Amino acid sequence: GENVEQHPSTLSVQEGDSAVIKCTYSDSASNYFPWYKQELGKGPQLIIDIRSNVGEKKDQRIAVTLNKTAKHFSLHITETQPEDSAVYFCAAYSGAGSYQLTFGKGTKLSVIP
Amino acid sequence: EAEVAQSPRYKITEKSQAVAFWCDPISGHATLYWYRQILGQGPELLVQFQDESVVDDSQLPKDRFSAERLKGVDSTLKIQPAELGDSAMYLCASSPGAGFYNEQFFGPGTRLTVL
Repeated sequence: GENVEQHPSTLSVQEGDSAVIKCTYSDSASNYFPWYKQELGKGPQLIIDIRSNVGEKKDQRIAVTLNKTAKHFSLHITETQPEDSAVYFCAAYSGAGSYQLTFGKGTKLSVIP
Repeated sequence: EAEVAQSPRYKITEKSQAVAFWCDPISGHATLYWYRQILGQGPELLVQFQDESVVDDSQLPKDRFSAERLKGVDSTLKIQPAELGDSAMYLCASSPGAGFYNEQFFGPGTRLTVL
């Protein structure tokens, strides 16, 4: 089955700096890669996603890049703000065999004012 | 704004006891998911429903876990008997349909502690 590795597990940045979280996946058949933000006491919330036919997608301060050859994808947050502090999860969806999302272990992002 | 509802939010039980969690998905969402999230890890799918039918329960420990969605709306996840290793957050999610074209909306979860 699919295996998703996520790094780093914790990340601290100064307010206004950029944050980058990286994930790798194992199943070359995976074709959809969402990113979720989980705040304390809440369920994960989708913040951005990318499909395998696209190399990059941007939504205001958030961007995701995908390298299918290397089987890795990354989340980029620019001009970080204290409200960006949360746990971020990457995930991969394989349309072959197991039609389910496989999540990484998460990155706890702390934005220091 | 429509949300996925879950209850209870917190549950403390002793091992060998039975526990049940309830989920009410967003109205009109045909697909419902139960995930287990162990502290410090990402969610892992336990079971997926399409309307009232189970689509995938390959990772559900069927000797002690059961799930139902009798009328294709709300759902119950049961554990009997609970074990220490079942301590985790149990998340319910729903989507308008199956497949990655449909965003999964998560509820706030039920935090289970087994003593």
